[in-house]
Amino acid sequence: DIQMTQSPASLSASVGETVTITCRASENIYSYLAWYQQKQGKSPQLLVYNAKTLAEGVPSRFSGSGSGTQFSLKINSLQPEDFGSYYCQHHYGTPYTFGGGTKLEIK
Amino acid sequence: VQLQQSGAELVRPGASVKISCKAFGYTFTNHHINWVKQRPGQGLDWIGYINPYNDYTSYNQKFKGKATLTVDKSSSTAYMELSSLTSEDSAVYYCASEGGLYYGTFAYWGQGTLVTVSA
Repeated sequence: DIQMTQSPASLSASVGETVTITCRASENIYSYLAWYQQKQGKSPQLLVYNAKTLAEGVPSRFSGSGSGTQFSLKINSLQPEDFGSYYCQHHYGTPYTFGGGTKLEIK
Repeated sequence: VQLQQSGAELVRPGASVKISCKAFGYTFTNHHINWVKQRPGQGLDWIGYINPYNDYTSYNQKFKGKATLTVDKSSSTAYMELSSLTSEDSAVYYCASEGGLYYGTFAYWGQGTLVTVSA
């Protein structure tokens, strides 16, 4: 199975800051990488797929990049509603696997 | 598109439970239904998917023998049965659909079903 490793595990930032979360795959997954946001007690929400394509309705302050084994999610000008947990997940065939998550908290 | 899951379950160790996911707003047979497990305070684990068009299933090896996926096309409902339950199966279970995007990109999620295994 492809292992997905996210960093950092937690992150503290202020409103207006820019943050970057990284994700590494244990083997080449080309651009088959998705990012999700999950708020406490809620279902995950798709943010990005195919490494850099924003899902419908996702604000442009979110951006995804990378290919192969190294990927990142950048959030420009953090807003209060951006705090929560973020997960990467490969969609390069089954079994789909998720990273361990990054918890983004308010500083 | 909406996926509506059944309510929370409290089940005894060793028992089985069947949870449901009813789809609204699209043609049910057009998109896979995936199931994802999330233990309290933990990450996400993909269980498997079912293709409602032909009942084809694909399971994560770690859930083979634990989860069984089925559908009822007449009611646009997907089911997941979990057997021989232990405390390790206590979790929130989500159904999710690609909704026309690439396979494995979960654009739509149910609200989750909490399964608690306790005597």
